[in-house]
Amino acid sequence: DAGVIQSPRHEVTEMGQEVTLRCKPISGHNSLFWYRQTMMRGLELLIYFNNNVPIDDSGMPEDRFSAKMPNASFSTLKIQPSEPRDSAVYFCASSFRQDVEKLFFGSGTQLSVL
Amino acid sequence: AQTVTQSQPEMSVQEAETVTLSCTYDTSESDYYLFWYKQPPSRQMILVIRQEAYKQQNATENRFSVNFQKAAKSFSLKISDSQLGDAAMYFCAYRSVRRSQGNLIFGKGTKLSVKP
Repeated sequence: DAGVIQSPRHEVTEMGQEVTLRCKPISGHNSLFWYRQTMMRGLELLIYFNNNVPIDDSGMPEDRFSAKMPNASFSTLKIQPSEPRDSAVYFCASSFRQDVEKLFFGSGTQLSVL
Repeated sequence: AQTVTQSQPEMSVQEAETVTLSCTYDTSESDYYLFWYKQPPSRQMILVIRQEAYKQQNATENRFSVNFQKAAKSFSLKISDSQLGDAAMYFCAYRSVRRSQGNLIFGKGTKLSVKP
């Protein structure tokens, strides 16, 4: 298995632009998580899905952030409009819901908003 | 709400020596999982070791072992015979076993340097 695949690996954009981050979970996994990592706040959960349904989005910072999971093999995290304070590494992770201790991470997307 | 605290922002160890990274957590639950993740400069999050709270025996994975003190809510990681490749950020994490709370809660991390 190729693991959790995230794209792009790096994204540089200007303030006000729309940014879309993509994630392909491991085949067969039915839980998907989006995390954000910054120096100041560490790793924070933004949102997670079980069976393509959002379960907890309390970590989404504000309405500029939205996440979708249209099917079991694809998820997006969108920021519109982007701001410099959104600059961070965004991680996607997946697991079998029943296998709570085995969470697999992607390599992350480094987002820089100028 | 659960919290995870890593009180050592940075640590340093001599190659071949042993180092211990500290982690404490706060929870009202009796059953849960604890993890140590390694994040090298490549940014990949690599699972190092995990511990089920209901198991009294400390987990061990080759040169990595934990000291799990449930009453004290402490979960330290010991790295023996440190190698240059162990240099990385290390994150302690907590996960509830309840299906409604499947996410990991991370500490802020400890940056480990290994001196040759």
